[in-house]
Amino acid sequence: QVQLQESGPGLVKPSQTLSLTCTVSGGSISSGSYYWSWIRQPAGKGLEWIGRIYTSGSTNYNPSLKSRVTISVDTSKNQFSLKLSSVTAADTAVYYCARGAVTISQYYFDYWGQGTLVTVSS
Amino acid sequence: SSELTQDPAVSVALGQTVRITCQGDSLRSYYASWYQQKPGQAPVLVIYGKNNRPSGIPDRFSGSSSGNTASLTITGAQAEDEADYYCNSRDSSGNHLFGGGTKLTVL
Repeated sequence: QVQLQESGPGLVKPSQTLSLTCTVSGGSISSGSYYWSWIRQPAGKGLEWIGRIYTSGSTNYNPSLKSRVTISVDTSKNQFSLKLSSVTAADTAVYYCARGAVTISQYYFDYWGQGTLVTVSS
Repeated sequence: SSELTQDPAVSVALGQTVRITCQGDSLRSYYASWYQQKPGQAPVLVIYGKNNRPSGIPDRFSGSSSGNTASLTITGAQAEDEADYYCNSRDSSGNHLFGGGTKLTVL
């Protein structure tokens, strides 16, 4: 059973960089036709896809966040990470990591972390 | 346009059938996936692809698609199905999109 666990600071100051790591257990991050995503959800609002990475290093980012986002992967640690720069209060949200699976014309997130709340405040 | 549109709220009587829809241009090319989210919990995949249910998802959940619209149907809704439901798809650029979510109330 694949499990994902987010970790990182729960409080980040405005203008600083938010950094989170997702640790994958129960399987290798490099195996299979999968990609690894970050998704966030402000309190009381909907889900927002942030971006994804394949273990080849290929990335896609939400155009609205692209200038501030970097997603990276460390296959030796079975982890992938998120960096979001120049944060403001609008970046306060629960951040989820998720595994994306791919079959013909089918793309879906089959495993999710429990989520971690990141608050941007001075 | 790169958007997925869902009705904000839908209600259904206990035991009845409800359909939750999702509209967007990307759905003409890619199947939607559907997620159930209960308060304080992470989303859970309930339907993906043409009409596939992950292990453990009851068979009262089904999916369909026509043109630019994807639908999630719950046949015989139960009290425990009350939740927020989100559709998701990718677009031609490889980016993912979420619908705004539909709050399902079971009466």
